[in-house]
Amino acid sequence: DQQVKQNSPSLSVQEGRISILNCDYTNSMFDYFLWYKKYPAEGPTFLISISSIKDKNEDGRFTVFLNKSAKHLSLHIVPSQPGDSAVYFCAASVSNFGNEKLTFGTGTRLTIIP
Amino acid sequence: EAQVTQNPRYLITVTGKKLTVTCSQNMNHEYMSWYRQDPGLGLRQIYYSMNVEVTDKGDVPEGYKVSRKEKRNFPLILESPSPNQTSLYFCASALQGANIQYFGAGTRLSVL
Repeated sequence: DQQVKQNSPSLSVQEGRISILNCDYTNSMFDYFLWYKKYPAEGPTFLISISSIKDKNEDGRFTVFLNKSAKHLSLHIVPSQPGDSAVYFCAASVSNFGNEKLTFGTGTRLTIIP
Repeated sequence: EAQVTQNPRYLITVTGKKLTVTCSQNMNHEYMSWYRQDPGLGLRQIYYSMNVEVTDKGDVPEGYKVSRKEKRNFPLILESPSPNQTSLYFCASALQGANIQYFGAGTRLSVL
């Protein structure tokens, strides 16, 4: 049972335009959400996160939106740059006094076209 | 430089030959974890450790063992590898709690 779903395996976006990556979840207990970015031959690196008490979090060109009623989050990258080409994983967890377990989606490969 | 180091990066072995993948972190993190990444399945947790001598099963622990004798090291042991353990493995660590984890570069394992 995939509790965190990324339904788009790949996405291509023109450089300078907005990239929107989507993620859906089924477990209503999730209260913390993260996005990780992965380049080939490297491990995932943390990008941005959001707590369930917020509906938006911004960090430079990256903004994450959370819609709890729809159990949906999205990552917006504006403007998209060639270095943003990577696989993006969303992840979710339930607060548990330091014993949180991250549940990952299957990833979306983003390609930025120069 | 703060990092999580895994060795080896690539490994080809045969069914049944015991192997160990090492993981070491230099950030004094309490939490460490192992994941495997497979096509279409994302990252799935194998085992995790909240502190020294404390380990627990993740989602896919069958066929794996771990130990946490020191804070910095968290080796992954495959006592009798099988072809279905062919995968890309990642070790990760976190200061406290498991949310913002730092990952190693990965170990690509092929079991023939």
